[in-house]
Amino acid sequence: AQTVTQSQPEMSVQEAETVTLSCTYDTSESDYYLFWYKQPPSRQMILVIRQEAYKQQNATENRFSVNFQKAAKSFSLKISDSQLGDAAMYFCAYRRAQGGSEKLVFGKGTKLTVNP
Amino acid sequence: NAGVTQTPKFRILKIGQSMTLQCTQDMNHNYMYWYRQDPGMGLKLIYYSVGAGITDKGEVPNGYNVSRSTTEDFPLRLELAAPSQTSVYFCASRELAGGVYNEQFFGPGTRLTVL
Repeated sequence: AQTVTQSQPEMSVQEAETVTLSCTYDTSESDYYLFWYKQPPSRQMILVIRQEAYKQQNATENRFSVNFQKAAKSFSLKISDSQLGDAAMYFCAYRRAQGGSEKLVFGKGTKLTVNP
Repeated sequence: NAGVTQTPKFRILKIGQSMTLQCTQDMNHNYMYWYRQDPGMGLKLIYYSVGAGITDKGEVPNGYNVSRSTTEDFPLRLELAAPSQTSVYFCASRELAGGVYNEQFFGPGTRLTVL
């Protein structure tokens, strides 16, 4: 079974600085998708960024980028120029690309605090 | 578009009671999902549906039932509530075209406490 591990329960960063959140996963599949979701205090789950495993190029979305290391099964999220609105729980998630792939497997999350 | 809406926002149940959590989406999405989020944990899939009349179990289906009579609605039924079902419940949907890479849109969640 696939598992997703986020080893940092909490992280903090100063406003305008850069922070990296870690995620590792375990799978025997070769084709899959990886996601980072943000959950602010409102509880709404918001997709931040996604990566297809067969793409070597790391995904970027404005201030958010990932470092995808397929061989190491690592998928870290880098937030540049951190803003107060970035404070939230961040969840890493995995999904198979093939049949039976409706299940998103989530990590336990990392709570990010942004200090002014 | 309102997106994915869930009712109620909060609910307290007594052990053994039953209730239905409502979920509606107005994006004409084929796929709909129910997740639960326990404290300090990520979301776990309870049930999902690929279209009206079609549902399937997820990772943690015991104690729940679903139905999908329309594209818009995907209610989750709890029978004989137990304290272990205390959780935050999220409904989500996504469109069919483009495959599993498509973003799931989440509702705001329902916080359920069973005492």
